[in-house]
Amino acid sequence: QVQVVQSGGEVKRPGASVKVSCKTSGYTFTTYGITWVRQAPGQGLEWLGWISTNNGHTKYAPEIQGRVTMTTDTSTSTAYLELGSLRSDDTAVYYCARSYGSGTLSPSAYWGQGTLVTVSS
Amino acid sequence: QSVLTQPPSVSGAPGQRVTISCSGGNSNIGAGYGVHWYQQLPGTTPKLLLFGNTNRPSGVPDRFSGSKSGTSASLDISGLQAEDEADYYCQSYDINLSVVFGGGTKLTVL
Repeated sequence: QVQVVQSGGEVKRPGASVKVSCKTSGYTFTTYGITWVRQAPGQGLEWLGWISTNNGHTKYAPEIQGRVTMTTDTSTSTAYLELGSLRSDDTAVYYCARSYGSGTLSPSAYWGQGTLVTVSS
Repeated sequence: QSVLTQPPSVSGAPGQRVTISCSGGNSNIGAGYGVHWYQQLPGTTPKLLLFGNTNRPSGVPDRFSGSKSGTSASLDISGLQAEDEADYYCQSYDINLSVVFGGGTKLTVL
C-alpha cells in the first residue's frame, strides 16, 4: 500500500531555512509527481509547488518563488522541500502528497501526515 | 482572497442534501481546467474526494457528486451524515497563478 511519511516538526528563527522530507513507499516513485501544500493555523490550504519525480521539473507558487526549492532522491524514494528566509507567516503545517495520476495537473491522492514548521524568535 | 471563491460555511440536517459552490473565472475553471475537491475532517489530513469535476476515487461514497458549469463548480452531498462534518476545499489550475485552492467551506451537520 502507498505510504507517505514526513519528517518531524521544526522550530526555526526568522531568516533561517528549513528542509522537510517526504519518504514514500508502496509504488514506483518515478511514476507520480509530488505536491507540497501548507496550512497555516486555522487557515485554508495553500499550494506551494509540484515536482516531477521522473525528471526533477518543478513548478512553484509565485508567492514563494525564489525562497523555495523542491528536490527528490530517487534512490530513497524521498522528496524534499526547502524554504529559506523564513518569516513568521511561514508558520504552518507542511504537507507533501503523491499525485493521483501521472499528469502534471493530477490531484493529490496520498498525503503525508504533515510537518509543523514554527517560525519564532 | 482566494482565486476560487467558496462560501465560508454551509449546514444541513442529517439526511438532507447540501451543495458547496466554487466560483472561479475565465483563467481557471472557465478555461476548461478540471476541479478537484478535498475533504478535511477535524484534526486530520486532507482527503481527495472528487477529481476531474465529477470522478470519485475508489472508496468515496456515491453520496458525493460534483458538477461544473461555466466558471463555477459544485460539490453535492446527499443523505448528509454526522461524519460528513468537515472542511471542504475545491482546487483547480489557473493560467496566471498555477494550482489554486478555494478558501474552504466548513460543513456543519445540525
